[in-house]
Amino acid sequence: AQSVTQLDSQVPVFEEAPVELRCNYSSSVSVYLFWYVQYPNQGLQLLLKYLSGSTLVKGINGFEAEFNKSQTSFHLRKPSVHISDTAEYFCAVRNNNDMRFGAGTRLTVKP
Amino acid sequence: NAGVMQNPRHLVRRRGQEARLRCSPMKGHSHVYWYRQLPEEGLKFMVYLQKENIIDESGMPKERFSAEFPKEGPSILRIQQVVRGDSAAYFCASSPTGQGEYGYTFGSGTRLTVV
Repeated sequence: AQSVTQLDSQVPVFEEAPVELRCNYSSSVSVYLFWYVQYPNQGLQLLLKYLSGSTLVKGINGFEAEFNKSQTSFHLRKPSVHISDTAEYFCAVRNNNDMRFGAGTRLTVKP
Repeated sequence: NAGVMQNPRHLVRRRGQEARLRCSPMKGHSHVYWYRQLPEEGLKFMVYLQKENIIDESGMPKERFSAEFPKEGPSILRIQQVVRGDSAAYFCASSPTGQGEYGYTFGSGTRLTVV
């Protein structure tokens, strides 16, 4: 079975600074990779996904992620964050009907 | 096109009571997944269902928890004789197929509080 490790439980940054949320995965088979965002008291919303092809994928709200097969990583980045990006971010890997989530990274954007 | 609908949004139960959580998947989605989120933790898989069938319940506690997805109506996650440790947010997600390239669409969750 696959697994996901989010390397940082909390990431505080100042507004307009760049941010990277790190995600590593392990799997013995090919998987699909996802990033979700969860705002307080809400469900998870899909930010972006990697299926195949270009290793750099762009998502909503200015986020992007890069798939690195050799390092089994799928880090999420944004060049300039806003206060409204404050939320919990989850990395996930899916193999058919088995989707596993990381423990989440709480991004706090400070003015 | 409504998304995944979960109700109630908040549910308070006394210890020993039953909790019923409902989930209506997105239109056209026949695959339903239930996850539990404890405070400060990620999502833990509980059960995967298709219409009238439980496909994978490897994440469900062996006792007190059950799930169904009938031919008509929403999927139901049922917790009997709730205990304080059942307090959590329960999320339902749906997908159009079991193929991996589709992400899940999540509902807003039901926050269960056991007092």
